[in-house]
Amino acid sequence: SQQGEEDPQALSIQEGENATMNCSYKTSINNLQWYRQNSGRGLVHLILIRSNEREKHSGRLRVTLDTSKKSSSLLITASRAADTASYFCATGLTGGGNKLTFGTGTQLKVEL
Amino acid sequence: DTAVSQTPKYLVTQMGNDKSIKCEQNLGHDTMYWYKQDSKKFLKIMFSYNNKELIINETVPNRFSPKSPDKAHLNLHINSLELGDSAVYFCASSQESRHYGYTFGSGTRLTVV
Repeated sequence: SQQGEEDPQALSIQEGENATMNCSYKTSINNLQWYRQNSGRGLVHLILIRSNEREKHSGRLRVTLDTSKKSSSLLITASRAADTASYFCATGLTGGGNKLTFGTGTQLKVEL
Repeated sequence: DTAVSQTPKYLVTQMGNDKSIKCEQNLGHDTMYWYKQDSKKFLKIMFSYNNKELIINETVPNRFSPKSPDKAHLNLHINSLELGDSAVYFCASSQESRHYGYTFGSGTRLTVV
């Protein structure tokens, strides 16, 4: 069954604005990861946050994790047109053999 | 020097045919995966191999058979193709012990007509 649900399903912003995407999941996890998928391409790993971490940064990306609410958010600051893509959260379960279960994805469009 | 390479990139075939998709990784990872992405972009795991051993086998029709001749290769053979098999199939690899995330191939778009 689908582990992660993301919202919004689609997000359209202007270049320079911040973009926030949310992910909710259902079971206990070992880690949560975010991936980007450009149209017609494979997924690219962006950032991993472990279940004992609350916040992580990588460049213009900021990820938070709230295990009590079973939710995570991805913030992209100062967005660029090149950030236009679909963004997926994925959860790694404890003892899951490194299996990742993906969310439904958020389609981000950054307009000039 | 593609890290995870899949072939072919596009595959158009008729119902009832048998086809294979190949995947190779040069990252030295010990675990490889096949995922299916449908038209709504929903990604679902199909299989996972760790050091040539099958460790994840989700509810997938028997017509799908993975083969891992060594830990750098994971191929997917599909028998008696059906219209519903049309999707994008992604191969990925990871190092199980490190949980650093997956490296994905660029995908194989399969269209069954």
